[in-house]
Amino acid sequence: DIQMTQSPSSLSASVGDRVTITCQASQDISNYLNWYQQKPGKAPKLLIYDASNLETGVPSRFSGSGSGTDFTFTISSLQPEDIATYYCQQYDNGLTFGGGTKVEIK
Amino acid sequence: QVQLQESGPGLVKPSETLSLTCAVSGYSISSGYYWGWIRQPPGKGLEWIGSIYHSGSTYYNPSLKSRVTISVDTSKNQFSLKLSSVTAADTAVYYCARHTPLGGRVDYWGQGTLVTVSS
Repeated sequence: DIQMTQSPSSLSASVGDRVTITCQASQDISNYLNWYQQKPGKAPKLLIYDASNLETGVPSRFSGSGSGTDFTFTISSLQPEDIATYYCQQYDNGLTFGGGTKVEIK
Repeated sequence: QVQLQESGPGLVKPSETLSLTCAVSGYSISSGYYWGWIRQPPGKGLEWIGSIYHSGSTYYNPSLKSRVTISVDTSKNQFSLKLSSVTAADTAVYYCARHTPLGGRVDYWGQGTLVTVSS
């Protein structure tokens, strides 16, 4: 089974800061890596698919990159409404999620 | 607009079977995509349970496979989850969702339903 290691598990940043989250797969997953945002009490929301494609309607301050085993998710300028937990997810004979990164405002 | 709605008991006794149904509107299950179940224990991360294609082919999380059955009813445009021999560790918010066959991106989610396992 493929394991996903996401870091950090939490972070605190100021409004306007650049925020970066990483996700590492235990084996090569090509670009089959997706990123989600989950706010308290809500279902996750797809932000980035296939490592770097922005889902329709998602603000351009969100971006993703990487391939193979190492992936990065970036918020270019953190906004108050971005406070949430972010998850990476891979697809290889099943879906596996990373442990999540809780983003807070400093 | 695709919408998914979970339904089922919010309380299940230990050792019994958890049963949930997901009603899909705005899209025909028969048209494609995978339809799956994902759960989230309180305060914890997301765990994929399993998925089904409109043809009925299924695949499950190996850690839950012995206890899980997912079925589809295309005539009612819904799919269902059964999880047997539940324990307190199965207490979670259960989401039904749609994901792509290639890449596995989950583009639509239900609102989620909390199922508590307790006597």
